[in-house]
Amino acid sequence: EILMTQSPATLSVSPGERATLSCRASQNVASRLAWYQQNPGQAPRLLIYDASTRATGVPARFSGSGSGTEFTLTISSLQSEDFAVYYCQQYNNWPDTFGQGTKLEIK
Amino acid sequence: QVQLVQSGAEVKKPGASVKVSCKASRYTFTGSYIHWVRQAPGQGLEWMGWINPNSGGTDYAQNFQGRVTMTRDTSISTAYLELSGLRSDDTAVYYCATQYTTTATVFGPWGQGTLVTVSS
Repeated sequence: EILMTQSPATLSVSPGERATLSCRASQNVASRLAWYQQNPGQAPRLLIYDASTRATGVPARFSGSGSGTEFTLTISSLQSEDFAVYYCQQYNNWPDTFGQGTKLEIK
Repeated sequence: QVQLVQSGAEVKKPGASVKVSCKASRYTFTGSYIHWVRQAPGQGLEWMGWINPNSGGTDYAQNFQGRVTMTRDTSISTAYLELSGLRSDDTAVYYCATQYTTTATVFGPWGQGTLVTVSS
């Protein structure tokens, strides 16, 4: 089973600034990497898949990059609704596995 | 817009079984796999398995094999998750989600979640 490690566990950023979240896979997952956003008490929402493809309706300020074992989610100019928990997921190897999450909080 | 509506919260005793439903609407139910993912309180996400609503075929994560059964009723566009031999560490929110594309097991949209509490 592939272990996904996200860093940092908590990231404090001011509104309007850029946030950079990291995800590392224990083995090569090619570009088979997705990012999800989860607000408190809500279901996750798909943001990015295939490492860099935005899902329908996701604002352009969200971008993903990376391949192999190192991946990044960047939010270019933080809006109030972006403060949430973010999870990465690999789907290159069975079973699909998720990172433990990064909490993005207001500084 | 795709919608998944799940059944309500459940409280079960250790050793019991629980069955959670996920009713789909506003898309062709048999056209997209449905996955189940759970989230223990304050924890991350854990993939449990999928069902192909068209064929009824399933694939379960190893952690749940022998305890989980995923079924569907195409006449009412509803998928079901049944988990048996419940333990306290099965306390979690259980989500269903459609598979977003045919080429990648990524999930969205999601149901609202069903809290299952296992307690004596």
